[in-house]
Amino acid sequence: SAVISQKPSRDICQRGTSLTIQCQVDSQVTMMFWYRQQPGQSLTLIATANQGSEATYESGFVIDKFPISRPNLTFSTLTVSNMSPEDSSIYLCSSRQGNTIYFGEGSWLTVV
Amino acid sequence: DAKTTQPPSMDCAEGRAANLPCNHSTISGNEYVYWYRQIHSQGPQYIIHGLKNNETNEMASLIITEDRKSSTLILPHATLRDTAVYYCIVRVGASTDKLIFGTGTRLQVFP
Repeated sequence: SAVISQKPSRDICQRGTSLTIQCQVDSQVTMMFWYRQQPGQSLTLIATANQGSEATYESGFVIDKFPISRPNLTFSTLTVSNMSPEDSSIYLCSSRQGNTIYFGEGSWLTVV
Repeated sequence: DAKTTQPPSMDCAEGRAANLPCNHSTISGNEYVYWYRQIHSQGPQYIIHGLKNNETNEMASLIITEDRKSSTLILPHATLRDTAVYYCIVRVGASTDKLIFGTGTRLQVFP
C-alpha cells in the first residue's frame, strides 16, 4: 500500500495566522487531493492538485483561502490562510496507487 | 452531492458477521464502489472496492447486486477494533481519483 505522510499531525493556531500542511507520497503520482473534515462531519473535497498546473478547487473553496502547491510528483502543500475558529478541522491528503486511493493520517488543526 | 446512501448507525455483536448496506442507484456503468473506514478521526483506511463482481480480501467481502444499484460490505467476524465509521463511495468516473464522501455508517461492535 502507498505511504502518505502529513506534517504537522496536529497544531494549535492563532486566529488570523496561516499554516502550511505538507503531504509526501512514497511514489510518483499524477494527482493529489486535499480534503477537510470538520468536527463530527464527513470528508469534503477541497481541491485537486496536479503537478505542473493550477489546482482545481471544488465549489465553496477558493485559492486565496486555500493556496496549494505541487512542486513535484511526490509532494504537495495546502495552506490555510487567515484562519478563524471555523477552520478548525482535520485536513487530509490522498492519492492513488494502482487502482486504490490512499489517505494520509491527517493534520488536526485547532484555531483559537 | 454524494451518490450513496447508508444507514447512519448499526450495532453488531463481537464474533458475528457485520453486514453494512449501501444504496447507489444512480451509479454509472464504469464507476467503482469503494469502501473505507475511519477510526477515531484517523485517516480513512481502504477496505475493498469492486465494479461488478463480488470481491473478497483479508479484511472483508463486497457483494454487489446484479443491477449494481446497491452493495453490502461484510465483515465476517467482527471484533471490537472494527468499531468505526464505514464509508461507501462511488468513484466519480473511471478517469478521476476524486472521491465524494457521504455521511457513512457508524458501526458499533459490542462484546
